[in-house]
Amino acid sequence: EVQLVESGGGLVQPGGSLRLSCTASGFTFSSYGMNWVRQAPGKGLEWVSAIVASGSVPFYADSVMGRFTISRDNSKNTLYLEMNGLRVEDTAIYYCAKGGGSGTYYCESWGQGTLVTVSS
Amino acid sequence: EIVLTQSPGTLSLSPGERATLSCRASQSVSNTYLAWYQQKPGQAPRLLIYATSNRATGIPDRFSGSGSGTDFTLTISRLEPEDFAIYYCQQYGTSPLTFGPGTKVDFK
Repeated sequence: EVQLVESGGGLVQPGGSLRLSCTASGFTFSSYGMNWVRQAPGKGLEWVSAIVASGSVPFYADSVMGRFTISRDNSKNTLYLEMNGLRVEDTAIYYCAKGGGSGTYYCESWGQGTLVTVSS
Repeated sequence: EIVLTQSPGTLSLSPGERATLSCRASQSVSNTYLAWYQQKPGQAPRLLIYATSNRATGIPDRFSGSGSGTDFTLTISRLEPEDFAIYYCQQYGTSPLTFGPGTKVDFK
């Protein structure tokens, strides 16, 4: 059974930094692209970032480009999202999601999410 | 960026009725890489359909997807009580990946 467990969320001041982690199990982590998707309170889903299975190529939404960095450690079955220059509008539940395989990035399985609150 | 528009915003129906949800893209979706998700309050989204018409593992056959180019449809043939939720479409053929704003299916 695929399991994705996010951690690292919390309260941070505007301009601050946070690193999210997502620990994966139940599948061959190193064979799948991975995604981060967020959902602001009471709002819809917003794709944030993705990374290819090897970790060599990242993709970003325009809203986070230059501020967020996605990475992965395939030896630890862990996905990361380094978030710098945080803004109030980055407040959301952040989900990690397993890609569909064969270089596709639909979100086949989701974690339970971790809440990031950016506020002074 | 491909913008996805979903209609209607809210669909009010009764159990047993047919639901037809629309997702329209601002430009053609590459490789028909269009997915549908269901989300219930307080829960993470769940994948229903990928590549326009392929049901994800464990998804009942009352859910079906169709479409091509810029127009896509999710159909729920007969609504069950557990199907009342918000549904999102997503295109994953072109970066940045994008989601639609969602359609809420609620009780009439």
